[in-house]
Amino acid sequence: DTGVSQDPRHKITKRGQNVTFRCDPISEHNRLYWYRQTLGQGPEFLTYFQNEAQLEKSRLLSDRFSAERPKGSFSTLEIQRTEQGDSAMYLCASSSDRVFYDTQYFGPGTRLTVL
Amino acid sequence: GIQVEQSPPDLILQEGANSTLRCNFSDSVNNLQWFHQNPWGQLINLFYIPSGTKQNGRLSATTVATERYSLLYISSSQTTDSGVYFCAVERDSGNTPLVFGKGTRLSVIA
Repeated sequence: DTGVSQDPRHKITKRGQNVTFRCDPISEHNRLYWYRQTLGQGPEFLTYFQNEAQLEKSRLLSDRFSAERPKGSFSTLEIQRTEQGDSAMYLCASSSDRVFYDTQYFGPGTRLTVL
Repeated sequence: GIQVEQSPPDLILQEGANSTLRCNFSDSVNNLQWFHQNPWGQLINLFYIPSGTKQNGRLSATTVATERYSLLYISSSQTTDSGVYFCAVERDSGNTPLVFGKGTRLSVIA
C-alpha cells in the first residue's frame, strides 16, 4: 500500500491557461474525493466519486472545473481558463465503502499558483 | 449544514509542555477525524474517533458525541509537533465528504 499519490506536486500557470491534476487513490479504495484548501483555511469539498460515478459536485465547482474517474481507479481534475482566485492547494483523498464509516486518507496535494 | 469550530486558533508552546485542542460541532456525527498538516501541506491521519477515547504515543483524543465536542491532547510536545491540527466530521452518513474546521496552528519552540 503506497498511499494516495498526486501529480504534479506544484503547478505554476498563467491566467487563462488550462491545467490538469491527477490523483491515484489507495488501490482497494472505491471512494475518491477532491478538496481545495486556501491559505489559512481548512480543506473544502469539491467533488467525489464512487468507482467511476461522480456522486456530487460542490457549488464551489464552477463550470470551468471538471473531474473524471474513467475506470474507477485514478482521477483527473481539470481547470479551464484559470483565474488568480483558483490559486490553492488541491487535495485528493480516498476511502473504502466496504466499511460503512471509514477513514479518509489524503494525498500530498497539488499546489497551484496562477499568475 | 454542519458547522465545525476549533479552538484556539493559534497556540505557542515551549518544548515539553502539554496542550489541549478543542473541536465543537453543531450536529450529531458518525465520523470524526483529527489530522496534522505538516509544513509541506500533507494531511496526516491522527485519529478516527466518532466517540470514546484513543491514545497513540504522546497523543490522545476524546470525543463526547452527546455533547458535540472532541479534544486532542498533546503531551510532552516536541518541535516536530508544529503545524496545523484539523478536526473534520463526515457531513452525512456512510463515507461522505468531510467538513473541516479552520484548524489550530501549533508552534512548539525549543
